[in-house]
Amino acid sequence: GIQVEQSPPDLILQEGANSTLRCNFSDSVNNLQWFHQNPWGQLINLFYIPSGTKQNGRLSATTVATERYSLLYISSSQTTDSGVYFCAVALGNYGQNFVFGPGTRLSVLP
Amino acid sequence: DAGVIQSPRHEVTEMGQEVTLRCKPISGHNSLFWYRQTMMRGLELLIYFNNNVPIDDSGMPEDRFSAKMPNASFSTLKIQPSEPRDSAVYFCATTRQTVQETQYFGPGTRLLVL
Repeated sequence: GIQVEQSPPDLILQEGANSTLRCNFSDSVNNLQWFHQNPWGQLINLFYIPSGTKQNGRLSATTVATERYSLLYISSSQTTDSGVYFCAVALGNYGQNFVFGPGTRLSVLP
Repeated sequence: DAGVIQSPRHEVTEMGQEVTLRCKPISGHNSLFWYRQTMMRGLELLIYFNNNVPIDDSGMPEDRFSAKMPNASFSTLKIQPSEPRDSAVYFCATTRQTVQETQYFGPGTRLLVL
C-alpha cells in the first residue's frame, strides 16, 4: 500500500518563529489533507490540497503532486499551534481510503 | 451546525464484554469513516461508508469488529468480545457526497479494555 512519511518527527519552536513541515508519499494520490490534532485530541482539518498552493491566515500549504510531496508552512507560530500535524493521502476511484502519516509533533514555547 | 457527534466519549469495560460506539454525522454528509488511533499504530482507517453502504472494510482488524450504518444519520462500531489490545481512541469522520472533500472529525471515544 501507499507509504506516507512526515518530517521532522518532533519540532520545538519559540513563539513567533516560522516552520516548515514535510509530507512525502510513495504513489500518485488524488486526495491530500493536512490535519492538526490539538493537545486535547481533537482533529481539525487544515487544508484539502491534492495539488497547488493554499493559504489560510498564518498557515499555508503546497503540494507538488508530480514529485509526491507536500509542505505545510506555519508563520509567526503561537502556543496554540502546539499539537500533532498529520498529513493524510488517498487514492483510488473514491479518493477516500485515507492513509495517515505518523505526524509531526510541534511544541511552541512562550 | 453541531458537528460530528460521538458517544460515549469515554468507555471502560472488561475483557470479553461487548462495546458499541456511536456516531452521528453532520447533516447532509453522506460519507462516514471510522478510524482508530493508538500510540503504536497511529491513525488507521477501519471502514468507510458512502450513502450508508460499506465501501471498504479492509481496515477492520478481525471478525470481532463490525460496523453498521442503518440510515444517513447514525452509525455504530461494535466490538464483541472486546480485548485489552482494542484499547484506543476511536474517531468518526464525515464528508459531503462529493468525492474530493474535507473530512470533519468527531471528538473521539476513548476506550479502555481491562
